[in-house]
Amino acid sequence: DSGVTQTPKHLITATGQRVTLRCSPRSGDLSVYWYQQSLDQGLQFLIQYYNGEERAKGNILERFSAQQFPDLHSELNLSSLELGDSALYFCASSVQTYTGELFFGEGSRLTVL
Amino acid sequence: GDSVTQMEGPVTLSEEAFLTINCTYTATGYPSLFWYVQYPGEGLQLLLKATKADDKGSNKGFEATYRKETTSFHLEKGSVQVSDSAVYFCALSKNNNDMRFGAGTRLTVKP
Repeated sequence: DSGVTQTPKHLITATGQRVTLRCSPRSGDLSVYWYQQSLDQGLQFLIQYYNGEERAKGNILERFSAQQFPDLHSELNLSSLELGDSALYFCASSVQTYTGELFFGEGSRLTVL
Repeated sequence: GDSVTQMEGPVTLSEEAFLTINCTYTATGYPSLFWYVQYPGEGLQLLLKATKADDKGSNKGFEATYRKETTSFHLEKGSVQVSDSAVYFCALSKNNNDMRFGAGTRLTVKP
């Protein structure tokens, strides 16, 4: 158990819909990262937050947004969903150190029909 | 930009065989290098890491040495077990703000 909790574990929805994925980081970790894992594109970095502020942005679509709340949990919002958005979405957390290790949740599997 | 390239899979080995998964990196400065493992149905977890040139990371019988001269961080294990079947990811990070992962290599070990 990494200490990172993601909900829901599975989600099935239709094209055009909007979903919210939630992540609770490990106790004491200030950084939260979101990754998308699809079969054909591997593990893609989406976005990182540190103590409530956006710190780095990767290949995140404009239809996607995220935020980190004062209690440090984070939400990833996916809107106007397309079939190609079907993937595993991982959240990871870390202590902000140079040689830091990322701790991953078990992921949220999104299926868009 | 910084990136990691690892050997394509899948890799299928018999139990007790020797494992090598190649990983090379491109980066400015001095990144830290990592191997993560993803077991079926689980998230990624850190397997080992090295933070500077010539460092050797090791864990659970796996080893990797940070080779700056060849920009490599190959993963090795002398005798694999069925329980080692998983997807292995090489990764680099310079400031923990952006961990770059390779595409992953799926390993299947047969009894």
